[in-house]
Amino acid sequence: NAGVTQTPKFQVLKTGQSMTLQCAQDMNHNSMYWYRQDPGMGLRLIYYSASEGTTDKGEVPNGYNVSRLNKREFSLRLESAAPSQTSVYFCASSEAHLSGNTIYFGEGSWLTVV
Amino acid sequence: AQSVTQLGSHVSVSEGALVLLRCNYSSSVPPYLFWYVQYPNQGLQLLLKYTTGATLVKGINGFEAEFKKSETSFHLTKPSAHMSDAAEYFCAVSAAGTASKLTFGTGTRLQVTL
Repeated sequence: NAGVTQTPKFQVLKTGQSMTLQCAQDMNHNSMYWYRQDPGMGLRLIYYSASEGTTDKGEVPNGYNVSRLNKREFSLRLESAAPSQTSVYFCASSEAHLSGNTIYFGEGSWLTVV
Repeated sequence: AQSVTQLGSHVSVSEGALVLLRCNYSSSVPPYLFWYVQYPNQGLQLLLKYTTGATLVKGINGFEAEFKKSETSFHLTKPSAHMSDAAEYFCAVSAAGTASKLTFGTGTRLQVTL
């Protein structure tokens, strides 16, 4: 019963390097999300995909790109990493892009940019 | 726009004591309210949610919360704390509509002592 799986769990990058965070869900959900969590700031939405084939910016999209590869997979790419992108990243999914729906989270990816 | 304020970034209770975690919200339209729990090095898990109907909402692990419109509050309670309740708790609010409007509070870390 995997739920939302994201990889890698830990990553250290040098400033300017690129990387992709992978996410997959096995709950047949239509909507997927990427959040970042920073100390004292709660979770902030980076990008979301309301349904397969669509993506939209969230609250803090600058410096990131996403791809909804298929219904199961939603990746987050950092093209040129900056120290300000040091954070914990959470992928999440929900059955539909409606505010009453429960959002299910992955276990997080700890990213450090030096 | 909506916002969430969680009073107290750290709360410490003795095992067996009442747990009270405070959440106040601001919303120009009827809110949907959520409590999530995050155990160390894990993703967020939904504890309970209020959308419509009964204002006293019961969740998992013995937690409950009451939506009080007049006080714009959605405080989380549990009659008797257990050591396993030690975690970080996030209150979140959204308005009817899309899940991308979900706004998280900054979190309250609950410590349970013997």
